[in-house]
Amino acid sequence: QVQLVQSGAEMKKPGASVKVSCKASGYTFSNYALHWVRQAPGQRLEWMGWINAGNGNTKYSQNFQDRVTITRDTSASTAYMELTSLRSEDTAVYYCARSGPSNWDFDYWGQGTLVTVSS
Amino acid sequence: DIVMTQSPLSLPVTPGEPASISCRSSQSLLHSNGYNYLNWYLQKPGQSPQLLIFLGSNRASGVPDRFSGSGSGTDFTLKISGVEAEDVGVYYCKQALQTPFTFGPGTTVDIK
Repeated sequence: QVQLVQSGAEMKKPGASVKVSCKASGYTFSNYALHWVRQAPGQRLEWMGWINAGNGNTKYSQNFQDRVTITRDTSASTAYMELTSLRSEDTAVYYCARSGPSNWDFDYWGQGTLVTVSS
Repeated sequence: DIVMTQSPLSLPVTPGEPASISCRSSQSLLHSNGYNYLNWYLQKPGQSPQLLIFLGSNRASGVPDRFSGSGSGTDFTLKISGVEAEDVGVYYCKQALQTPFTFGPGTTVDIK
């Protein structure tokens, strides 16, 4: 069965960086895309960007353009999301989600990773 | 960016009764291929979101047939024909037409 398993909760200080992983199993990793979506407390879901797991192409939301980097390791069937220059407003649950390479329906989601930014 | 709105934001329901959620987009989600690029997701308490509806009206795998999606262009509706206790949670619409993909604010469905 398809599973996306994310790394554990993180606590960071303002200005630091965080890197969250998303390990995929149960399907051919390179045939799909992986997206990152975050949910700050009391806020709506916010799409951050995606990576084509096959060719590594990425696209980011302008809201995060200069601070987010999404990568993947096909040998480990794992995608990563790194967010730099953290501020308190980045405190949120971060999700990875799978879609087809040319459709944008998020059919499987990771369990979420809580990132807390606090001094 | 395409702005998504939903109404109502809170929906108390009686088990067995129907429920309806409206979603509107600031731009048409109708692609030239004839499909509406609109998803519905349900986030149950303490869980990750799950896909309910894709392309406006298609149920995702395993989704009960009491859920149905309709609409076109900028106006969409999710209907539950008879709400069950397991349907409580926050329902989100999302436009999948163009990046950045954007979500509605969510509609919280709970039992009266």
